[in-house]
Amino acid sequence: DTEVTQTPKHLVMGMTNKKSLKCEQHMGHRAMYWYKQKAKKPPELMFVYSYEKLSINESVPSRFSPECPNSSLLNLHLHALQPEDSALYLCASSPSGRWGDNSPLHFGNGTRLTVT
Amino acid sequence: GDSVTQMEGPVTLSEEAFLTINCTYTATGYPSLFWYVQYPGEGLQLLLKATKADDKGSNKGFEATYRKETTSFHLEKGSVQVSDSAVYFCALSDQTQGGSEKLVFGKGTKLTVNP
Repeated sequence: DTEVTQTPKHLVMGMTNKKSLKCEQHMGHRAMYWYKQKAKKPPELMFVYSYEKLSINESVPSRFSPECPNSSLLNLHLHALQPEDSALYLCASSPSGRWGDNSPLHFGNGTRLTVT
Repeated sequence: GDSVTQMEGPVTLSEEAFLTINCTYTATGYPSLFWYVQYPGEGLQLLLKATKADDKGSNKGFEATYRKETTSFHLEKGSVQVSDSAVYFCALSDQTQGGSEKLVFGKGTKLTVNP
């Protein structure tokens, strides 16, 4: 069982819809991440929150909007997506996200998003 | 920037065969190195890690040694099982300008083990 829980597991949305992906962890980790994974590709980093502050935005389009309401929760708000945004969206957490921590990331099982 | 190169496969083996998946890296500093595994329909799970030169990470019969002289972190297992069928990702930790840490992944190697 994964310790990082993502909901929903599957999501189909139209290009005019607004939806949100949710991620939760109760390991006391202070860094949380969003990754995007296309089929047969490695995960690509989108955002990192460290101590509830956005620390990394990998030049992600504004139609993706992250939110970290508290240290256990991470949301990804979606609006006006394109079909090419269809992918597996993975959430992950780590103790601090600080360089030198050497702690591995704990991944959730992802949300499979299809944009029609 | 830092990067990871791993053999792309796919790799197909018979049960009890020996497995090697090659991984090399380029880095300006001394990153930690990781192997993650992704089973069908799931997220990534840490398989093993090494944080400094000559460290050997091991788990579930898999091993990898951090070789600074050859900048390599090859994954090995002496006898694979059908249940090892998955995609394996080599990764290193990279430092961002803000002092945060992020993972840089290789492209992944799909392993299929036949009975």
